[in-house]
Amino acid sequence: DSGVTQTPKHLITATGQRVTLRCSPRSGDLSVYWYQQSLDQGLQFLIQYYNGEERAKGNILERFSAQQFPDLHSELNLSSLELGDSALYFCASSVSGFGARETQYFGPGTRLLVL
Amino acid sequence: QKEVEQDPGPLSVPEGAIVSLNCTYSNSAFQYFMWYRQYSRKGPELLMYTYSSGNKEDGRFTAQVDKSSKYISLFIRDSQPSDSATYLCAMSVNQAGTALIFGKGTTLSVSS
Repeated sequence: DSGVTQTPKHLITATGQRVTLRCSPRSGDLSVYWYQQSLDQGLQFLIQYYNGEERAKGNILERFSAQQFPDLHSELNLSSLELGDSALYFCASSVSGFGARETQYFGPGTRLLVL
Repeated sequence: QKEVEQDPGPLSVPEGAIVSLNCTYSNSAFQYFMWYRQYSRKGPELLMYTYSSGNKEDGRFTAQVDKSSKYISLFIRDSQPSDSATYLCAMSVNQAGTALIFGKGTTLSVSS
């Protein structure tokens, strides 16, 4: 158990809908990362937050947004969902997010299925 | 060409075999190299971490980085059925807050 929690574990929704994925980082970790894992693209970085501020952006679609709250939990919002958004969404956390030397600890993921 | 290439396998070996997993990359700015292990329906967990070139050993696992060839390897000695998982290589440039770039992963199956 990495100490990172994600809810819900599974989500089934329809095209055009909006969903919110939630992540609680390990105790003491200030940085949160969101990744998307699909069969054809593999594990891809979406966005990183550090202590409430956006720190780095990857291949995140404009339909997707995220935020990190004062209690350090983070939410990833996915809107106008398309079939291709079906994937595993992982949250990871690290102590400060400064530099790749830090270990990123991954949560168990949320499996999203868009029908 | 993707930044990080990894043969997806699957790779099937008998218990006790030596396993070699590899990744190639195109971005010469990568300085940090990692191997993650991901069991089915779980999140990735960090196995090995190497900075720049060289070898690193941890128990049955050895990570090698050859920056001149842009090639990294993970060796597993005396493989066990519990090593059956997907192994993902990951890399990052020497920059604060840089996210990880992952290979697609190699699925390994070790039979007893």
